[in-house]
Amino acid sequence: QMQLVESGGGVVQPGGSLRLSCAASGFTFSEYSLHWVRQAPGKGLEWMTIVSFDGDTEDYAGSVKGRFTISRDNSKNTLYLQMNRLRVEDTGVYYCARDVSLTSSLTGRVRTYYFYGMDVWGQGTTVTVS
Amino acid sequence: DIVLTQSPGTLSLSPGERATLSCRASESVSLDYLAWYQQSPGQAPRLLIYRTDRRATGIPDRFSGSGSVSGTDFTLTISRLEPEDFAVYYCQQLVSSPYTFGQGTKLEIK
Repeated sequence: QMQLVESGGGVVQPGGSLRLSCAASGFTFSEYSLHWVRQAPGKGLEWMTIVSFDGDTEDYAGSVKGRFTISRDNSKNTLYLQMNRLRVEDTGVYYCARDVSLTSSLTGRVRTYYFYGMDVWGQGTTVTVS
Repeated sequence: DIVLTQSPGTLSLSPGERATLSCRASESVSLDYLAWYQQSPGQAPRLLIYRTDRRATGIPDRFSGSGSVSGTDFTLTISRLEPEDFAVYYCQQLVSSPYTFGQGTKLEIK
């Protein structure tokens, strides 16, 4: 059974740091790109960041760029989100999710990744900045 | 950033009825990069549709997706509503980072 399990959430003061983990099981972790998505209390979904299956490419939403860092350890089947300089508006439930795509292309030495949607989600971990 | 605008904000229907949810993009997102999700209260989102019209694994065929050739107008249709379908639905584009979501459509029981 494919599964993602987040951990590391908690209460932190503004300006503080937190590291979230997302442990994967039931699928070949190294074949899939992975996202972090968050949801503020009573609000909609906000995409934050992605790391490609091979760890070579990362991308961030403007609201977290320069403060958050995504990384993965394919030997441990684990995804991470290092969150620094936390703000009150970072409060919410944080989900890790797997991208459904197994597609990329290589032209010369340039690899292009294709992302189509998130088909496996964790249960979420709550971060409160207060 | 690409803005996705979902309509209506709330849709009130009865079980057995047909639901039509709309998602409009501020610029073309191509038919390959539009996904739909369902989120029930207290639950993580669930992927319903990706690449505009491909059902995710385990999604019943009463859910279908479509899009315009222009790549700016997308529709999620639920042909016959079941009680478990009443939830919030989000569209998402994955053509251009940041991979934005729409604000959601709440489907409620009439």
